[in-house]
Amino acid sequence: AQSVTQLDSHVSVSEGTPVLLRCNYSSSYSPSLFWYVQHPNKGLQLLLKYTSAATLVKGINGFEAEFKKSETSFHLTKPSAHMSDAAEYFCVVSDRMDTGRRALTFGSGTRLQVQP
Amino acid sequence: DAGVIQSPRHEVTEMGQEVTLRCKPISGHDYLFWYRQTMMRGLELLIYFNNNVPIDDSGMPEDRFSAKMPNASFSTLKIQPSEPRDSAVYFCASSFARSGRSGDTQYFGPGTRLTVL
Repeated sequence: AQSVTQLDSHVSVSEGTPVLLRCNYSSSYSPSLFWYVQHPNKGLQLLLKYTSAATLVKGINGFEAEFKKSETSFHLTKPSAHMSDAAEYFCVVSDRMDTGRRALTFGSGTRLQVQP
Repeated sequence: DAGVIQSPRHEVTEMGQEVTLRCKPISGHDYLFWYRQTMMRGLELLIYFNNNVPIDDSGMPEDRFSAKMPNASFSTLKIQPSEPRDSAVYFCASSFARSGRSGDTQYFGPGTRLTVL
């Protein structure tokens, strides 16, 4: 069975400082991993995804994430936070189940606050 | 492309009434997913379709919930009768699966905010 754990439910940073949102996963197979962002009262937007190519993945709006198999982690980072980054972020793992059916598991989300 | 389209965006109804949520996936996508988001339970997958056929409905909470996909461009999620605990945001998402690959990107609609009084 696959699972994903977002280690922080809330993260608060000052504008212009680095962002780190942590995510650990477990999976029986070689998973695909995603980060989605959800702004208030909006749908989910894909930030970036990892699908067994380069371990360092660059996404939109200056975000990137590094896949570390030995640590089963896929942490999201950004060098300098912007006020518009304030949102909820979801780490997602996608895996092919034993039956071959598609499954997508969402983390519980991390709410990012950016202070002026 | 207009993206995934959901309607209505907001729905307020009274307990016991039937509610129908609608979704139009991105043209050409062969997977369609229905999710529910609440503060208590986060994002939950309810059901998904592949080529209009329901594949996994194990997330559907109970018999009051039903979903259909009569064609590749339209799906409905129906709740009958509705209850206050069904209040949530319901998202539809679609994806295009390439043969032999898992983890294809899902594109989400803006959601329908359902309030059952």
